[in-house]
Amino acid sequence: GIQVEQSPPDLILQEGANSTLRCNFSDSVNNLQWFHQNPWGQLINLFYIPSGTKQNGRLSATTVATERYSLLYISSSQTTDSGVYFCAVEDLVSGGYNKLIFGAGTRLAVHP
Amino acid sequence: SAVISQKPSRDICQRGTSLTIQCQVDSQVTMMFWYRQQPGQSLTLIATANQGSEATYESGFVIDKFPISRPNLTFSTLTVSNMSPEDSSIYLCSVTGVYEQYFGPGTRLTVT
Repeated sequence: GIQVEQSPPDLILQEGANSTLRCNFSDSVNNLQWFHQNPWGQLINLFYIPSGTKQNGRLSATTVATERYSLLYISSSQTTDSGVYFCAVEDLVSGGYNKLIFGAGTRLAVHP
Repeated sequence: SAVISQKPSRDICQRGTSLTIQCQVDSQVTMMFWYRQQPGQSLTLIATANQGSEATYESGFVIDKFPISRPNLTFSTLTVSNMSPEDSSIYLCSVTGVYEQYFGPGTRLTVT
């Protein structure tokens, strides 16, 4: 099946700093999503981005499907950005309709 | 977007007992998904539940351990049977929107 790798595994930032999170995947995808899991465990969908670039406030994401990677940019980080960021792709290889395979996540801590 | 609720939000159970988790969606959906997140880990799909048919289980998960019901298009239950401490996890219900996937708040289970 498809492999999803995220880096870095852990990231510590001072409030106001910028960061880039990376997601590499091993096969072609037509569905890539970024999620934020807050410290209380709630998963929030940030982007559906199988290709191209999207922006939402201080967050933006870019997926280069031909090179099999996606980047999540966080600008002017805030303490509320803390949590775990997951990249997930649809496992078409195994024929799983809407079956998402999650990366291991990047654990972000933003300090005031 | 879909609004998903889960009950209970958390529970502490004795080993050998069973717990049934409920998932309610505010709109009709064809497929509902159940994920497990072990402590400090990523999300793993347990099974996909379609209304009116048997659930489809992923490798490593079996119906006897995780029976699922899907009585209608807005509701599903997952039972964790004959629990052991290794079942201590967050269990999440999920549905697919037009493209994005949405998650319930999760059920945090501790088995003692």
